[in-house]
Amino acid sequence: AQSVTQPDIHITVSEGASLELRCNYSYGATPYLFWYVQSPGQGLQLLLKYFSGDTLVQGIKGFEAEFKRSQSSFNLRKPSVHWSDAAEYFCAVVLYNQGGKLIFGQGTELSVKP
Amino acid sequence: DTAVSQTPKYLVTQMGNDKSIKCEQNLGHDTMYWYKQDSKKFLKIMFSYNNKELIINETVPNRFSPKSPDKAHLNLHINSLELGDSAVYFCASSPSVSSYEQYFGPGTRLTVT
Repeated sequence: AQSVTQPDIHITVSEGASLELRCNYSYGATPYLFWYVQSPGQGLQLLLKYFSGDTLVQGIKGFEAEFKRSQSSFNLRKPSVHWSDAAEYFCAVVLYNQGGKLIFGQGTELSVKP
Repeated sequence: DTAVSQTPKYLVTQMGNDKSIKCEQNLGHDTMYWYKQDSKKFLKIMFSYNNKELIINETVPNRFSPKSPDKAHLNLHINSLELGDSAVYFCASSPSVSSYEQYFGPGTRLTVT
């Protein structure tokens, strides 16, 4: 069955430090993958997406993610975290043969220490 | 100039009541979705409409009924509310059923007491 796993429920990093949020997927075909961010009390904002092509994708707010088919992973990275990056981050895969529904991971809550 | 809007933002009601949540998108998209986010922040799709036609209907109690009067609107009506219905409900839209990029509304926090 299709699924997305985010192994880390909560991560704390210091401001200015680098960040990597892990995402693993299970999907029988070529996955279309997304990272969304949810700030407290807000809706979800799309950070970046991977459909095909270059496996390193750039997104908004200085985020990037790398698709690794061999590891079934799509990890999100940022070289230098800002306090405003504190939020919940969701990885998702779209089931393009099932009406485009998104399957989300459990989310990773990011806290940023000053 | 809100792209996907939901009303109300907060909804507090008692068990057994019937309530509706409205969603509107001004992006000209064809496809709209409803997701439920539970207390552990887990997001799960409930329904999807494409050009007013239901295309996704997950395993959701039939107390939940979506209605799409036109392709810019997708409302969610809930009958006989239960405590377990307390959650945040998100509406989303995408340009078409095959474009996959979804734009989310701000959410409606439903609390059933």
